[in-house]
Amino acid sequence: EVQLVESGGGLVQPGGSLRLSCAASGFIFSGYWMSWVRQAPGKGLEWVANIKLDGNEKYYVDSVKGRFTISRDNAKNSLYLQMNSLRVEDTAVYYCARDWGIRNYLDYWGQGTLVSVSS
Amino acid sequence: QSVLTQPPSVSGAPGQRVTIPCTGSSSNIGAGYDVHWYQQLPGTAPKVLIHGNKNRPSGVPDRFSGSRSGTSGSLAISGLQAEDEADYYCQSYDSSLSGFVFGTGTKVTVL
Repeated sequence: EVQLVESGGGLVQPGGSLRLSCAASGFIFSGYWMSWVRQAPGKGLEWVANIKLDGNEKYYVDSVKGRFTISRDNAKNSLYLQMNSLRVEDTAVYYCARDWGIRNYLDYWGQGTLVSVSS
Repeated sequence: QSVLTQPPSVSGAPGQRVTIPCTGSSSNIGAGYDVHWYQQLPGTAPKVLIHGNKNRPSGVPDRFSGSRSGTSGSLAISGLQAEDEADYYCQSYDSSLSGFVFGTGTKVTVL
């Protein structure tokens, strides 16, 4: 059974940093692109970033470029999102998701972890 | 900022059919990228409902169907049931943004 479990969310002040983790199990992690998707309270879904199988290609939504870094450790079956220079508008539930194919869709999602940016 | 446009809400009586349009542009759906649909029940993570424009994962009732034409996609729910009350999002890939894009989301209400 495919499982994605996020952790690392919490309350942080504007300008602060946070690192999210996603533990994957039930599939060959190194064989899939992976994504982060966020959802602000009461708002819609926004794709944040994704990363290639070997970590050598990464793509970001414009609003987080230069501030967020996606990475992965295939030996640990884990996906990460390093978030720096956090802003109030980054407040959201962050979901880890598995990419099905390239430029296709997201077939499995974690339960999400809440990031709150507030002073 | 969502690139794909959906109506904020649709509603119907039990047993009726409702449709949710998803309007994109020449850099996403119009460029030939597939449209996918997710269902998000309150307080839960999104779940794939339709992938590749019209394909249902196993376990998804055949009351749900999808289509794509030109720069738009569409989700239809026939035989509406109370358990279908949820938020629905379309998704595609955008070549000018080099990333996934989601629709604005549609809340389905069963009257």
